[in-house]
Formats: sequence, structure tokens, C-alpha cells
Amino acid sequence: GESVGLHLPTLSVQEGDNSIINCAYSNSASDYFIWYKQESGKGPQFIIDIRSNMDKRQGQRVTVLLNKTVKHLSLQIAATQPGDSAVYFCAEFGAGNNRKLIWGLGTSLAVNP
Amino acid sequence: DGGITQSPKYLFRKEGQNVTLSCEQNLNHDAMYWYRQDPGQGLRLIYYSQIVNDFQKGDIAEGYSVSREKKESFPLTVTSAQKNPTAFYLCASTKAGLGTQYFGPGTRLLVL
Repeated sequence: GESVGLHLPTLSVQEGDNSIINCAYSNSASDYFIWYKQESGKGPQFIIDIRSNMDKRQGQRVTVLLNKTVKHLSLQIAATQPGDSAVYFCAEFGAGNNRKLIWGLGTSLAVNP
Repeated sequence: DGGITQSPKYLFRKEGQNVTLSCEQNLNHDAMYWYRQDPGQGLRLIYYSQIVNDFQKGDIAEGYSVSREKKESFPLTVTSAQKNPTAFYLCASTKAGLGTQYFGPGTRLLVL
């Protein structure tokens, strides 16, 4: 079946360190992947996306890596700040006639000052 | 400025009561979605609509109903058939054919 799962449900890092949040997916036909950040009590916020014809994409302090060989997606946050504390979700855009997002379970990132 | 709004922020439901959650967007997006999120959990799709006057069931549609009479509006009704309605409800929208969904601030539904 199709699934998107996260390796680590919680991640705790020191302020200033780099964070890496991992995600596994099982549908090799998915061609679009998105990372969202959700702060407590708020809706998810788009961070960065990547298409399957790429293996790396960089944003401001964030980098997404896609390894299609092992169906693995990661989000790297440079110089993690307290404001980065949130739950991070990866989502894949499934293939087929009714394309819709398939969501992972989420990883909670805690940044220690 | 453009965005997605949801109201109310908090909603209380009595036993046997139907309640309707509002979702409005002025982004001119074609598709709209409703998700349910339970504490410490991910998002589960309730219903989605890719065009006005058309909608499809998601993964957990039982006990819910929707309508899409206008492009900018996609209200969700939580019916009395939904026995465990307490959750955080999120509405999202996207332009047709694209995957990136933009979310509203959410409505937290509590049962009295």
C-alpha cells in the first residue's frame, strides 16, 4: 500500500545546530513531495517542495534531499532556532486519477536554547 | 490580502447536534480540502472538491457532509452520526493540478 512514514517521531536539538528530519515513502510513482511545518494550534505552513526529477533543493536555511533509489526524503534545517520548534510533516503527491496528498505522521522538533 | 479563513476558531457541539464549520478562500483556487487532526497525529482527509458543485469522499467521510456551491466556499457539516467529533479541523486549497496545499488556521471542535 501507499504510505509515508517518518523515522523519528521526536527530535531534540541545541539552538544553532543543524537538524535533519527524515521521511520514507513507499509509492515509487509519486512525483512531487512537500515539507510542511505546523506550530501548535495552527494550520500547516508550506516550507519547501521538490519534484522527482530533482535530488536536492535549497531554500532559506532549509534543504530538501530526495533519494528515489531508497524512497527517502529529508529536510535539513541549518542553524536551528527556537522558532523552528514545531511538528514537521512530509507529504507525497500520489499518482493515479485522483491525485491527492498522502501525509506522513509528523516529527516533533524541539529546539533547546 | 489573499488567504484562507476558517470560522469559528473554537466550536462546541452538544450531543445529537449538527454543526457547520466555515472555510472561505480568496486565492481563486479550484480545489479545496477538509482534514481532521487528532492530538499528536497526522492529517486525515475527510472530503475534497476539485471543482464547484462536485466533491469526493476522503478516507474518513462517515459522519460528515460538505457542499461546494461557490468556488470560494467549502463548508463542512459534522453530523450527529459522527460519534467522536472532537478534533482540530483544517481546511486547505490548491490550484488545479498542483500539489501544494495552503491551509487555514483551523477550527477546534469540542463536545459538551
